[in-house]
Amino acid sequence: QLQLQESGPGLVKPSGTLSLTCTVSGGSISSSLYYWGWFRQPPGRRLEWIASIFYTGSNYYNPSLGGRFTISVDPSKNHFSLELNSVTATDTALYYCARLALLSSRRVIDYWGQGTLVTVSS
Amino acid sequence: EIVMTQSPATLSVSPGERATLSCRASQSVSSNLAWYQQKPGQAPRLLIYGASTRATGIPARFSGSGSGTDFTLTISSLQSEDFAVYYCHQYNMWPVSITFGQGTRLEIK
Repeated sequence: QLQLQESGPGLVKPSGTLSLTCTVSGGSISSSLYYWGWFRQPPGRRLEWIASIFYTGSNYYNPSLGGRFTISVDPSKNHFSLELNSVTATDTALYYCARLALLSSRRVIDYWGQGTLVTVSS
Repeated sequence: EIVMTQSPATLSVSPGERATLSCRASQSVSSNLAWYQQKPGQAPRLLIYGASTRATGIPARFSGSGSGTDFTLTISSLQSEDFAVYYCHQYNMWPVSITFGQGTRLEIK
């Protein structure tokens, strides 16, 4: 059974950098069948897509979120990561990692991690 | 960006009854719509993709319909384990843009 597990600091200071890692177990991140992605849900708001990456490093970002995010992948460790620079209180959210499978010729999120809460506060 | 609007925000239904959840897109997403179920402290679970295709292992009481801008998730006979939050999600514009509804909370009446 595929499992995705987010890890990272629960608390980050304003203007600091947030680093999150998603460790994949029960499957290989190097499969050509899947993309991998990061999402977040701020308190009281809807889920939003942040970025997605292929095991080769090919990636896409949500253009509406600006250029503060960096997604990366390490196939040797079977994990992928997200870095967010210059965080503010508005970056406080539940962050999820997920797998995007090709279903009916489209990329569909078929597995999610449980999420990790990140709070930006001094 | 395509805005997804779910209704109602909260739905109260008795076990054994039918629940109907709605999702509307601000522009056509064809049939590129998925539904997810999320329980407290758990990861979201894929129920439906392609607007009407059940994901692997999903019971037949869950069904999806619609295309274009209007979609429905129907749970034919509610079981106790079905009370959760449900999200719709359009992926028609991947990888440029993918968006989610705000969720419908299905609660026990």
